[in-house]
Amino acid sequence: KQEVTQIPAALSVPEGENLVLNCSFTDSAIYNLQWFRQDPGKGLTSLLLIQSSQREQTSGRLNASLDKSSGRSTLYIAASQPGDSATYLCAVRPDTGFQKLVFGTGTRLLVSP
Amino acid sequence: NAGVTQTPKFRVLKTGQSMTLLCAQDMNHEYMYWYRQDPGMGLRLIHYSVGEGTTAKGEVPDGYNVSRLKKQNFLLGLESAAPSQTSVYFCASSYSVAGRAGELFFGEGSRLTVL
Repeated sequence: KQEVTQIPAALSVPEGENLVLNCSFTDSAIYNLQWFRQDPGKGLTSLLLIQSSQREQTSGRLNASLDKSSGRSTLYIAASQPGDSATYLCAVRPDTGFQKLVFGTGTRLLVSP
Repeated sequence: NAGVTQTPKFRVLKTGQSMTLLCAQDMNHEYMYWYRQDPGMGLRLIHYSVGEGTTAKGEVPDGYNVSRLKKQNFLLGLESAAPSQTSVYFCASSYSVAGRAGELFFGEGSRLTVL
């Protein structure tokens, strides 16, 4: 059974720092991996989608990498801002039973001014 | 461009009452999903649909029913609400490419309290 872990559960940094959020998964047979952010009381917003054949994806200050063989993905946020404060979730779509995305429990990020 | 829209956003029910949550998407996506999110439990899949007229069970389907009569709409029903169904419910949709699901887009959520 696929399990997705995100460590740390919470992270607090001063504004301007570059930071890395980690996501690990137990079964490397994945179709894609997606990173989301969730603001309090809101839905999930898709940040980046990485297909299993890709190594990384970039969008603005965000860069997500995927190492499928080691079961790891990282989300790199450059020059963090208070507006980046949110919970970040990763989710993997297994290569079989592919409709059933498996979510991590998230990393709660706080960026202080 | 509305994306995924859920109604209602908030609802309070008494035990035993019934209700329906409506999800509408305007992106012409084939796949639609209902999740619930609870503290410490993460997101759990209730039911999903891979196309108009089709539905399937997810991880936690008991106590819920769904229907997908139109491609753009996915309804989640609670026949007899229980306090254990107090949660935040999220609808999501995704496109498909060669039968594989793509990027997932979520609605804003519906907060349900069962007394």
